[in-house]
Amino acid sequence: DTAVSQTPKYLVTQMGNDKSIKCEQNLGHDTMYWYKQDSKKFLKIMFSYNNKELIINETVPNRFSPKSPDKAHLNLHINSLELGDSAVYFCASSLLRIQQETQYFGPGTRLLVL
Amino acid sequence: DAKTTQPNSMESNEEEPVHLPCNHSTISGTDYIHWYRQLPSQGPEYVIHGLTSNVNNRMASLAIAEDRKSSTLILHRATLRDAAVYYCILREGGSEKLVFGKGTKLTVNP
Repeated sequence: DTAVSQTPKYLVTQMGNDKSIKCEQNLGHDTMYWYKQDSKKFLKIMFSYNNKELIINETVPNRFSPKSPDKAHLNLHINSLELGDSAVYFCASSLLRIQQETQYFGPGTRLLVL
Repeated sequence: DAKTTQPNSMESNEEEPVHLPCNHSTISGTDYIHWYRQLPSQGPEYVIHGLTSNVNNRMASLAIAEDRKSSTLILHRATLRDAAVYYCILREGGSEKLVFGKGTKLTVNP
């Protein structure tokens, strides 16, 4: 069973479009995250949610809007896509919001904006 | 965000031990040392973590210097599947986020 899954795996779209990436975890975790890995391979946190409540928002443009319908899902909606949004987006989850806790990552969604 | 320094790349031969160093001279007393790795085209994967004492698990060992200003991730017998980018991360007290640096790209030669 896949612990953290993301759909789609690949996403190719035109500039200006709106798209969504979905994430689901079946680990029973309370906290979920979105990370972005750019073309230089730097991984950076974007958002974290705990029990459907936004906890971290790392100065991400407001074109990016995370939505958590329930604890097991954290979706990422992106409006008016720009070329610079091309990256790999990883969803992750952890049981607790503490520094000792392991984060489990999904396989990533590779977004290419043309 | 707490800072770590790692070599950009390292090479190893299959079935030999690998020692991946990490310097974190500004570590504070409550920072945990975490290691994650990212295999090609995959998401990051937890390897090990520790606070003060050395730690062992089925994947690796973590040796932490007595002054905690450095640590070493030890893979006891490298396999081809261990080829990945290894990230040493300090997790600050009260912070759940992972702050990734550039990591060390490990190449394992057959």
